[in-house]
Amino acid sequence: EAGVAQSPRYKIIEKRQSVAFWCNPISGHATLYWYQQILGQGPKLLIQFQNNGVVDDSQLPKDRFSAERLKGVDSTLKIQPAKLEDSAVYLCASSQSRGQTGANVLTFGAGSRLTVL
Amino acid sequence: RKEVEQDPGPFNVPEGATVAFNCTYSNSASQSFFWYRQDCRKEPKLLMSVYSSGNEDGRFTAQLNRASQYISLLIRDSKLSDSATYLCVVNRNYGQNFVFGPGTRLSVLP
Repeated sequence: EAGVAQSPRYKIIEKRQSVAFWCNPISGHATLYWYQQILGQGPKLLIQFQNNGVVDDSQLPKDRFSAERLKGVDSTLKIQPAKLEDSAVYLCASSQSRGQTGANVLTFGAGSRLTVL
Repeated sequence: RKEVEQDPGPFNVPEGATVAFNCTYSNSASQSFFWYRQDCRKEPKLLMSVYSSGNEDGRFTAQLNRASQYISLLIRDSKLSDSATYLCVVNRNYGQNFVFGPGTRLSVLP
């Protein structure tokens, strides 16, 4: 089974520039998550999609972050304009579906490491 | 107070030692519980789910106390390869809202 694919793996930008990250979840996984992980901290949920609908975006800084999952498969996360404090690893994860107690394990991609100068 | 809290660490232990990680969660409606392992500069990976009756997988034992809202992970006979950060994860509703603790870093020393 192919895993969660993410790109780019690394990105360096200057503050106020924009950046976009892409994620392709495991085939058949209806739920897709974007997490932000700052060095030394645990992952923090930014947004959760169920198919192409948003389930939770309460912690997404909507003035600068946006995300979409138009066809219910792959997803993009955009930051515009970037700030220094956005330097982090952006992790995409997927799980099969909600409501199934045996199938709600998260599988992560390798992450996209962002450095904002 | 953070929703999921863990021992701050780091833990530095010799090979063969037994080490215990503690985790508490604040949301009593939480439904499922996990331990994830994260190697340096890698993504988190599922180590084990945590069941109410407690569960064991080789050298690893996980316990859950719903009344105290407490989760633990015990590693026996630790190996150099166990060196990683251990993340406690709580799921509020099945399939939704996975909340991660800050992690506890473990270094197993030769």
